[in-house]
Amino acid sequence: DQQVKQNSPSLSVQEGRISILNCDYTNSMFDYFLWYKKYPAEGPTFLISISSIKDKNEDGRFTVFLNKSAKHLSLHIVPSQPGDSAVYFCATGGSSNTGKLIFGQGTTLQVKP
Amino acid sequence: DAGVIQSPRHEVTEMGQEVTLRCKPISGHNSLFWYRQTMMRGLELLIYFNNNVPIDDSGMPEDRFSAKMPNASFSTLKIQPSEPRDSAVYFCASSWEAGNLRYEQYFGPGTRLTVT
Repeated sequence: DQQVKQNSPSLSVQEGRISILNCDYTNSMFDYFLWYKKYPAEGPTFLISISSIKDKNEDGRFTVFLNKSAKHLSLHIVPSQPGDSAVYFCATGGSSNTGKLIFGQGTTLQVKP
Repeated sequence: DAGVIQSPRHEVTEMGQEVTLRCKPISGHNSLFWYRQTMMRGLELLIYFNNNVPIDDSGMPEDRFSAKMPNASFSTLKIQPSEPRDSAVYFCASSWEAGNLRYEQYFGPGTRLTVT
């Protein structure tokens, strides 16, 4: 039973265009969400987060949008760069008051020069 | 800071052997997590320590797996006996927690385990 779902295993975009990665979750009580980026042979690295009291958080080229009614979040990368090519995981802290995270399966982004 | 340190980076062992993975969290962090990544199951949490105490070990597959955190700067994940289906990349991560405040987890580079 996947509580966090990334339905697109892969995405390919042209350099300079927008990349949109999507994530759905099952429990409306989830209140904290994160995106991680992972390069081959490295551990995931934190990218950006959002609390359920917000619907948008922006950090440079990266923006995360949260739609609580749809239980959906998305990561926008504008403009996309070849160095952004990686696996992107969305994660949630769930509804528990702990540091435990639940991860989606990941989406592999390829940005073509 | 050096980040989360894991050793070894690669481990190849034969079925039935004991395997010990090691992790040094970021200094000052009070939570430590062990994850396993496989193609089939993605990134799954095995066990989570807070202030050196195991908080949630519901992800530990079976009794062959055990984890310890004897102090704030060291943790081990042991598999005894190992089986081919344990082959995966094992990540350690650490973070800081204080009351209701939660912060992002920082991951180590992982240990790629192959059991033949």
